[in-house]
Amino acid sequence: AQSVTQLGSHVSVSEGALVLLRCNYSSSVPPYLFWYVQYPNQGLQLLLKYTSAATLVKGINGFEAEFKKSETSFHLTKPSAHMSDAAEYFCAVSEPNFGNEKLTFGTGTRLTIIP
Amino acid sequence: ETGVTQTPRHLVMGMTNKKSLKCEQHLGHNAMYWYKQSAKKPLELMFVYSLEERVENNSVPSRFSPECPNSSHLFLHLHTLQPEDSALYLCASSPGTSGTIYEQYFGPGTRLTVT
Repeated sequence: AQSVTQLGSHVSVSEGALVLLRCNYSSSVPPYLFWYVQYPNQGLQLLLKYTSAATLVKGINGFEAEFKKSETSFHLTKPSAHMSDAAEYFCAVSEPNFGNEKLTFGTGTRLTIIP
Repeated sequence: ETGVTQTPRHLVMGMTNKKSLKCEQHLGHNAMYWYKQSAKKPLELMFVYSLEERVENNSVPSRFSPECPNSSHLFLHLHTLQPEDSALYLCASSPGTSGTIYEQYFGPGTRLTVT
């Protein structure tokens, strides 16, 4: 069974500071991992995904995440926060289950940017 | 039209009403999903359709009834709902279900309030 834990339901950072959102996963097979972002009154938008290629994955809007198997982690980072990054972020894990891929989501982290 | 669209965006209904949510994807995808997003809870996968066939039903109460008439359209029929069913209902689609992991593309959601 697969699961995702996001540490910290709320994170606040100053504009221009480093953003670090934590995600740990549990999976019985090599996982595929995703980060999604949700802006107010919108659906989820894919930020980036890890699919067993490079362990450092670059996504949209300057975000990146590093897959660390030894730590079962897939933390999301951005070197310099922008006001437009304020949103809710979801980590998700998927295992191939032929004919029916399922995403299991974490509970989300709400990111607030302090001017 | 682009991506995944959902109508209506907001819906208020009484417990004895019958209503339907509509989702349409313009991406040529083969799989479609219904999720429920409640405050302080992970996204809950409700139903999965692959090539118009239901392949997943995650113990959803029978007052929720999905319908997938073709690979571009997905409906969620609602009847005799409870106040705890109030939530954001998200539709998503993905390219296929062949065992390859694909990211899912989400619509903006329908905010449902049951009074």
